[in-house]
Amino acid sequence: AQTVTQSQPEMSVQEAETVTLSCTYDTSESDYYLFWYKQPPSRQMILVIRQEAYKQQNATENRFSVNFQKAAKSFSLKISDSQLGDAAMYFCAYRGRSGSARQLTFGSGTQLTVLP
Amino acid sequence: GAVVSQHPSWVICKSGTSVKIECRSLDFQATTMFWYRQFPKQSLMLMATSNEGSKATYEQGVEKDKFLINHASLTLSTLTVTSAHPEDSSFYICSARTGAQETQYFGPGTRLLVL
Repeated sequence: AQTVTQSQPEMSVQEAETVTLSCTYDTSESDYYLFWYKQPPSRQMILVIRQEAYKQQNATENRFSVNFQKAAKSFSLKISDSQLGDAAMYFCAYRGRSGSARQLTFGSGTQLTVLP
Repeated sequence: GAVVSQHPSWVICKSGTSVKIECRSLDFQATTMFWYRQFPKQSLMLMATSNEGSKATYEQGVEKDKFLINHASLTLSTLTVTSAHPEDSSFYICSARTGAQETQYFGPGTRLLVL
């Protein structure tokens, strides 16, 4: 079974600074998807960024980028120029290609605080 | 695009009553929908997966007779909490995906409080 581990329950960053959230996963599959979702106080889950495992290039979305290390099974999220609106719970998630692995497996989350 | 709505956003009910939560995909056809439960400051726990026109697949430990799921159309799934009890109080989130999508889109969630 796939597992996703987020070892940082809480992180804080100063406004305009950069922060990196860690995520590791375990799988025996070679092709899969990885996601970062954001859950602000409203509790609406919002997709932040997505990475396909077969792509070597790291995904980027404006101020959000990932460092995908397939061999190490690591998938960290970097937030540049942090803004107050980035404060939220961040979940790393894995999704395989077939069968029950096509369900999302979530990490335990990292609560990010942005300090003004 | 890819908007998922949920109704109601919050509900308070008396113990023993049943509550229905609707989940709709507004701008795409959702062949697969998922129902999650989330406790405060915890991750999402998958309750069940439903494919349009077929019975839902429940995760281990989730009572299928208590949490009835219907996915009768490509844009609507419902979760009915039958004979609700205070321990069923939680935040319920639905999610939807088409067969071609690799991304799941989430509804805004429903807060259920059972008195």
